[in-house]
Amino acid sequence: DIVMTQTPSSQAVSAGEKVTMSCKSSQSLLYSENKKNYLAWYQQKPGQSPKLLISWASTRESGVPDRFIGSGSGTDFTLTISSVQAEDLAVYYCEQYYDTPLTFGSGTKLEIK
Amino acid sequence: QIQLVQSGPEVKKPGESVKISCKASGYTFTQAGMQWLKQAQGKSLKWMGWINTNTGKTTYAADFTGRFVFSLETSASTAYLQITNLKNEDMATYFCARDDGTGWGQGTLVTVSS
Repeated sequence: DIVMTQTPSSQAVSAGEKVTMSCKSSQSLLYSENKKNYLAWYQQKPGQSPKLLISWASTRESGVPDRFIGSGSGTDFTLTISSVQAEDLAVYYCEQYYDTPLTFGSGTKLEIK
Repeated sequence: QIQLVQSGPEVKKPGESVKISCKASGYTFTQAGMQWLKQAQGKSLKWMGWINTNTGKTTYAADFTGRFVFSLETSASTAYLQITNLKNEDMATYFCARDDGTGWGQGTLVTVSS
C-alpha cells in the first residue's frame, strides 16, 4: 500500500496569515503516460463529511476559493492557504488515487488563533 | 446538484448485522462509481472499496473482505453497505462517496455495544 505522511499534525495560525502543510507519499504519484499526479486534498470541517478541494495535485474544484493552492509532484506535495480565514478551521487530508487501495494521510488540523 | 443521502445512525450488538443506504440524486447514478470509506472517531479516513454502478462489480480493500458487502438498487439510485457479524472495531462513521470524490454522503454512525 502507498503510505501518505502529512506534517504537521496540527497548526495554529491567525486570520490573514499564510499556512502551508506537507504531504509525502511512499512512492511516486506521477503517472508517466499523462504526466498527472494522482493526489487530492480534502477539507473536513467539524461534524461534516470531507469536501474535495483539489485534484490532480493542483486543480481546484469549482467554487473553491483561490486562496487554496496545491502544488508538488512525484512524492512531495503541499497545500497552501494564502490568507487563512476563520471558516478554514478544519482537518485537511491528502489522498492518493494512483493505486488501490486508495490511501489517506493522517491529516493536518488547522486551528485559528 | 450532486447529493448523496445516507440512512440514519445505528446501534447494534456484537455479532449483529447492519445495512447502510446511500441514495444519489442530481446526476445519473450509473455515470459514477460509488466508494465506501470508514472513519473511526478522531481518526483519518480508510478506503473500504468501491462498486461499479454500471456492472455491479465490486472491489474491496484487504481489510474489508468477508464481512463487508457492497450492493446496488439501480432503479432507486441507491447503493448499500452491509456489515455482518459486527465487531467492536467496526464502530465508526461510514461514508459513501462518488468515485471522483466530488460528492459525499453525510455519514452514518454505527455504534457497536453490548
